[in-house]
Amino acid sequence: NAGVTQTPKFRVLKTGQSMTLLCAQDMNHEYMYWYRQDPGMGLRLIHYSVGEGTTAKGEVPDGYNVSRLKKQNFLLGLESAAPSQTSVYFCASSYTSGGIGTQYFGPGTRLLVL
Amino acid sequence: TQLLEQSPQFLSIQEGENLTVYCNSSSVFSSLQWYRQEPGEGPVLLVTVVTGGEVKKLKRLTFQFGDARKDSSLHITAAQPGDTGLYLCAGFLSNDYKLSFGAGTTVTVRA
Repeated sequence: NAGVTQTPKFRVLKTGQSMTLLCAQDMNHEYMYWYRQDPGMGLRLIHYSVGEGTTAKGEVPDGYNVSRLKKQNFLLGLESAAPSQTSVYFCASSYTSGGIGTQYFGPGTRLLVL
Repeated sequence: TQLLEQSPQFLSIQEGENLTVYCNSSSVFSSLQWYRQEPGEGPVLLVTVVTGGEVKKLKRLTFQFGDARKDSSLHITAAQPGDTGLYLCAGFLSNDYKLSFGAGTTVTVRA
């Protein structure tokens, strides 16, 4: 099993460009999450999904959109990239929600917006 | 303002020494988790504590959940260079299935 994979690993964008980050999991998990990690701020939740076809906003959703058309995939889109979106993006998935649920993280996508 | 405050932010110690990382909040959590993250990788779950006052041990790592379920600590005994990494605490508030993360503690163990 590959677990959680993320594509691409690294990307450089110019301000105003768009891109899509792909997250895939092969563990048949219902729940999937997108986080961003910035120095000194830990991980902050951008959007999440509790099942195929559903998405919801997290703590910092502005400037991002997501889609969960297939259970195994969770896409994060940046329509018009801004330098403030320079960050490391992590996708995670879990079988259960809350309480004792374990989130499995991908290796991250490093995004630089110039 | 972060829901979970971790201290210290950075910790550098010599191999064989002990260390403690703290995770504090004014909110009550249904459970708290500790993750370790190595450079270039995603966080990996170390432990979940659920009951107030609970103590869990994982080899040389000891995790404690406060009685009021508002704080937690991670203690490493006889630290080794392999313990180097970013340690993150994260918690679930009651009736919520979203994790809130602390800012993390960067631990460096020198050989």
